[in-house]
Amino acid sequence: NAGVTQTPKFQVLKTGQSMTLQCAQDMNHNSMYWYRQDPGMGLRLIYYSASEGTTDKGEVPNGYNVSRLNKREFSLRLESAAPSQTSVYFCASNLSVLGGYTFGSGTRLTVV
Amino acid sequence: DQQVKQNSPSLSVQEGRISILNCDYTNSMFDYFLWYKKYPAEGPTFLISISSIKDKNEDGRFTVFLNKSAKHLSLHIVPSQPGDSAVYFCAARGQYNNNDMRFGAGTRLTVKP
Repeated sequence: NAGVTQTPKFQVLKTGQSMTLQCAQDMNHNSMYWYRQDPGMGLRLIYYSASEGTTDKGEVPNGYNVSRLNKREFSLRLESAAPSQTSVYFCASNLSVLGGYTFGSGTRLTVV
Repeated sequence: DQQVKQNSPSLSVQEGRISILNCDYTNSMFDYFLWYKKYPAEGPTFLISISSIKDKNEDGRFTVFLNKSAKHLSLHIVPSQPGDSAVYFCAARGQYNNNDMRFGAGTRLTVKP
């Protein structure tokens, strides 16, 4: 019963480096989300994909790109990492418009 | 602009007593509200939700109350248990974009034995 799996769990990047955060869900959910969590800010939506083949910007999309590779996988890419992107990133999925999201365990990213 | 606000960063209660976590929102278009619980090094887990057509929803020890006129909701935990110690996030979603869920900053609840 994997649910939502995120990789890697930890990552340290140098300013300007790029990387992709991976997310996969095995619950046949339609919608997938990327959030970042910063101290005192709660979780903020970066991008979401309401269904396979579609992606939309959330509250804080600048500096990020996403790909909904198939129904299971939704990746988040940082093309040129900045210290302001130091955060904990959570991927989530949801079957329908009702109910709560299922979250992964997070990726702790530090940009130095 | 933080549309969902949890003004108490922390709350400490005695085991067996009631825990009341509060949440305020500013966007009148929100029509669905949720509470999540988060343990350290884990993702948030969904706890309970309420639609704007209701003013109360109960699930075991957890009850959520919604006061639409005050744009306020609260989560009651009765009785509180040490295992309830976690960070609780309030979240809200609007009817026109139900994929844009906004979260509060969270309240850390500590239940003392």
